[in-house]
Amino acid sequence: EVQLVETGGDLIQPGGALRLSCAASGITVSSSYMSWVRQAPGKGLEWVSVIYTGGSTYYAASVKGRFTISRDNSKNTLYLQMNSLRAEDTAVYYCARVICCDNWFDPWGQGTLVTVSS
Amino acid sequence: DAQMTQSPSSLSASVGDRITITCRASQSISSYLNWYQQKPGKAPKLLIYATSSLHSGVPSRFSGSGSGTDFTLTISSLQPEDFATYYCQQSYSIPPMWTFGQGTKVEI
Repeated sequence: EVQLVETGGDLIQPGGALRLSCAASGITVSSSYMSWVRQAPGKGLEWVSVIYTGGSTYYAASVKGRFTISRDNSKNTLYLQMNSLRAEDTAVYYCARVICCDNWFDPWGQGTLVTVSS
Repeated sequence: DAQMTQSPSSLSASVGDRITITCRASQSISSYLNWYQQKPGKAPKLLIYATSSLHSGVPSRFSGSGSGTDFTLTISSLQPEDFATYYCQQSYSIPPMWTFGQGTKVEI
C-alpha cells in the first residue's frame, strides 16, 4: 500500500521560512513524479509544484522563486522549502504522487497545515 | 494555461437522486480531465481519470464524460457517503501548470 505522510507545518511569521517533508512508503520517490498541492482554509485546491523522475521541477506562478521542491532518495522523502512566506500561503499542504504521463494525483497524503501570521 | 470553471458551486440533493456536475475549460484540454472527491477534514481522493476511467475501488454509480472543453461527472444514484465536495482538474498543460475547478459541494 502506498502511503504519504507530510510533516513540518507550523505557525510562522510573514517573511519567514519553513520546510515541509513528505515521507513515502510503498513507492520510490525517485521513480515517481511527485507534487505538492495546497488548500487555503475554506477554499479550493491549488497545484503548487512538481518534480519529475529526471529531476526537472516546475512551480505555480504564485510560488515561483520562493518555494523549492526537492527529494532525498536515501530517505525516500519529498520536500518543499518555502521562503519569504506570505499570509496568502496559509493552507493545508498535501503531497501527492503524479501518475505519469496523463498527470493525475493519486494517492494524496493527509496534509500538513501552514499558518503564516504575525 | 487552461482555467477550469465548475457548475454549480453547490447543489442540494437527496439519496437516490441522479446528479451531474459540469466542468468547463477555458481552452481545449483533449481528455486530460480528472475528478476528485473530498470530505471535510480529509485529503482529496481520485475518482475518475482521463475523463471517463474509473479509479480502482470507485463505485460504478460514478461516471465521467466529455472532451475538448466540456466535461461532466455524473452520480447515477446518490448515496449517503457521496455527500462531499467534488473537484475537476486539468492535466493537459505542458510545462505543467495544472489547475483545479473551484469545487462543487453536494449537500443534502
